[in-house]
Amino acid sequence: DVKVTQSSRYLVKRTGEKVFLECVQDMDHENMFWYRQDPGLGLRLIYFSYDVKMKEKGDIPEGYSVSREKKERFSLILESASTNQTSMYLCASSGNRAGATYNEQFFGPGTRLTVL
Amino acid sequence: AQKVTQAQTEISVVEKEDVTLDCVYETRDTTYYLFWYKQPPSGELVFLIRRNSFDEQNEISGRYSWNFQKSTSSFNFTITASQVVDSAVYFCALSEYDMRFGAGTRLTVKP
Repeated sequence: DVKVTQSSRYLVKRTGEKVFLECVQDMDHENMFWYRQDPGLGLRLIYFSYDVKMKEKGDIPEGYSVSREKKERFSLILESASTNQTSMYLCASSGNRAGATYNEQFFGPGTRLTVL
Repeated sequence: AQKVTQAQTEISVVEKEDVTLDCVYETRDTTYYLFWYKQPPSGELVFLIRRNSFDEQNEISGRYSWNFQKSTSSFNFTITASQVVDSAVYFCALSEYDMRFGAGTRLTVKP
């Protein structure tokens, strides 16, 4: 079974803090994704990566950065957390069989981040 | 611009009723993939089905069926004889270069 794990289920941080959200997958997937999920807005793509040390912006990258130093790990960084970044953050990974767009994504359990 | 529209925010049915979740998408690509995911109360999204843009055959898997119509850019999902365990948020998604999700439909099945 594909396993995508996220470092925390719940996290509470203060405004201005630097926040690291970690995601690890164990299926040797090339592609990894970070989304945030908000009521009524569904999942919105923040950043994705199709290879180590490679990153691409999604729809809402402002206020976030990412790091992918190893294939299995994709980190989301909030440089200076703000209250409007309070949300559920979901990490996902997928393989490259038949091309990146073909493959279903496997999701982690999510991290519910509250910024006070 | 939103590429995937799930107009139904919430649906509530009684067990054993049939229910259809609507999904309308927008793309200029000729090659793309459509997906449905289920997010149960535990929170982890689970893949249900994938359909490529060249295959308009409907698909049935047990109580689940999917109707893909390119002419109307729709990929609807029907649950027959719904059960309480079907209660979840369901997401439709479109994959071109990356994946775009709809806002989701929350389905509640009451006993």
